[in-house]
Amino acid sequence: GNSVTQMEGPVTLSEEAFLTINCTYTATGYPSLFWYVQYPGEGLQLLLKATKADDKGSNKGFEATYRKETTSFHLEKGSVQVSDSAVYFCALDSNYQLIWGAGTKLIIKP
Amino acid sequence: ETGVTQSPTHLIKTRGQQVTLRCSSQSGHNTVSWYQQALGQGPQFIFQYYREEENGRGNFPPRFSGLQFPNYSSELNVNALELDDSALYLCASSRDTYEQYFGPGTRLTVT
Repeated sequence: GNSVTQMEGPVTLSEEAFLTINCTYTATGYPSLFWYVQYPGEGLQLLLKATKADDKGSNKGFEATYRKETTSFHLEKGSVQVSDSAVYFCALDSNYQLIWGAGTKLIIKP
Repeated sequence: ETGVTQSPTHLIKTRGQQVTLRCSSQSGHNTVSWYQQALGQGPQFIFQYYREEENGRGNFPPRFSGLQFPNYSSELNVNALELDDSALYLCASSRDTYEQYFGPGTRLTVT
């Protein structure tokens, strides 16, 4: 069945460092791919998405490219801020439901 | 535009009891999906309602049931609560089955 695998956390970086959070997926067909962010004590917010191969989703300085060849959708940001500290989830659209990775906790130190 | 709202925010129940969680969908949305998020894990799909009909269901037992009303708000009911039901319950609404917008969740603790 469809599945999503994310790199385990926590990931700890200093402010202004470069961020990569890896996400790979297994799916039949070409599902839409998403990154969601969950700040402490809050619900899930859509960060970015891509609906077909080679699409690049971007928002708030974060980017991810839909790579069909490597079945990946890695999240990147060039310069992280303390306010980016949160849990990040990769997900894919499987018909009527979202299939989620386990989440990666990101900790940014000033 | 009002976003997705959920009530209550927190809830404590005893094993064996029943609970009802509520969700108001975002304006213009006709689809509601429910997810269970255990601590430290990703959400797990429970079921989805589209225009008042169940449109799909995840791997959850029948004691998890739901309802969608004509105004597209929704309820999640859980009977015979077990300790493992302790989790954050998330509701998401969408227009048809497109992009899902999440509410803040209801934290359920079963003791």
